[in-house]
Amino acid sequence: SQTIHQWPATLVQPVGSPLSLECTVEGTSNPNLYWYRQAAGRGLQLLFYSVGIGQISSEVPQNLSASRPQDRQFILSSKKLLLSDSGFYLCAWGPSYEQYFGPGTRLTVT
Amino acid sequence: RKEVEQDPGPFNVPEGATVAFNCTYSNSASQSFFWYRQDCRKEPKLLMSVYSSGNEDGRFTAQLNRASQYISLLIRDSKLSDSATYLCVVTTGYNTDKLIFGTGTRLQVFP
Repeated sequence: SQTIHQWPATLVQPVGSPLSLECTVEGTSNPNLYWYRQAAGRGLQLLFYSVGIGQISSEVPQNLSASRPQDRQFILSSKKLLLSDSGFYLCAWGPSYEQYFGPGTRLTVT
Repeated sequence: RKEVEQDPGPFNVPEGATVAFNCTYSNSASQSFFWYRQDCRKEPKLLMSVYSSGNEDGRFTAQLNRASQYISLLIRDSKLSDSATYLCVVTTGYNTDKLIFGTGTRLQVFP
């Protein structure tokens, strides 16, 4: 069966510090991968999606970037965090129309 | 106008009640529709897909009205464990790899 892992579960970082969040999927090959952010009181916002290694589409101009160095690994990064980057970051994978989410990383930028 | 709009609630209902949530979407080209459930501080999980003919899964019934661009979810015989936020989700037009999430409707079932 397929599983998706994200870490860390929670993170508190100061403004201006770098960020790296990792997501890995097991039990499937060449999945579509997604990064979402859910800010307090707001819906899930699609940040990036990837249909293959090295293929990244950005949905929203922002302070973040994504990379897919391996088939089942998706990384979300920032060089300098902003207060507005706080939120619940979710990685998801989807074979077609359905998406399955990882447990998420709750990021607080102070 | 938001791409997917939902009443945020909360809907507070007693156990055993029937409750209905509605959702409207703006893109008439959207092809696929879903309801996801999100428990507090947890990741969303797919509850059910929504088909044009309507579909039922146990106590849950989903309906789609393409002409009105309207989706509904009906929960019968509510349980305490149904307490959660229900997210209405549509695909972005003909690109069915991307989903647009509503902000969710919160349901609280009380004893």
